[in-house]
Amino acid sequence: GQQVQQSPASLVLQEGENAELQCNFSTSLNSMQWFYQRPGGSLVSLFYNPSGTKHSGRLTSTTVIKERRSSLHISSSQTTDSGTYLCALDTNTGKLTFGDGTVLTVKP
Amino acid sequence: GGIITQTPKFLIGQEGQKLTLKCQQNFNHDTMYWYRQDSGKGLRLIYYSITENDLQKGDLSEGYDASREKKSSFSLTVTSAQKNEMAVFLCASSITGGDTQYFGPGTRLLVL
Repeated sequence: GQQVQQSPASLVLQEGENAELQCNFSTSLNSMQWFYQRPGGSLVSLFYNPSGTKHSGRLTSTTVIKERRSSLHISSSQTTDSGTYLCALDTNTGKLTFGDGTVLTVKP
Repeated sequence: GGIITQTPKFLIGQEGQKLTLKCQQNFNHDTMYWYRQDSGKGLRLIYYSITENDLQKGDLSEGYDASREKKSSFSLTVTSAQKNEMAVFLCASSITGGDTQYFGPGTRLLVL
């Protein structure tokens, strides 16, 4: 089965609403990375989070190793947050295993 | 800061053709990666290289070759383009394996 599963597959919000994106993994990890992919393709690293909670502006990442999950919380969403959010599992082999992503659409 | 450039931005080929994609980084990173992304899916690792002249196969290496000519550049060759290889190819680099990866803008491949 797939090592990394993301949910939901897609999400539509009104501007100002909060979003909670989930990533569940089935194997041990060294770290979890979250990426934002712009419409058009390029990826931007949001968080490198081996465990615990990290904050960056309106974004919060929480990784709970024992529960094999990581989440990305977006508060007060804006239309410019629209795009695809990808999580990727790093098992300390130098390789990342990606989930299929969550497509977020924020409507004005 | 640094930048990763990928050329070409768009690549149109014929079925059976050999096609080469190029990637350059000026971060002075040791490790470089090639991923393929199909529509609506996550990225899958094709090849990676931990240093100049090193090559490591990823999960999707069949049908591809790669070359790490120097520290700053990493090329990917599609050995025989197939119609089901319409995808975006993304190059990335990191200081070492296991560190944060930084991505290029991608090459979009279309096989006629």
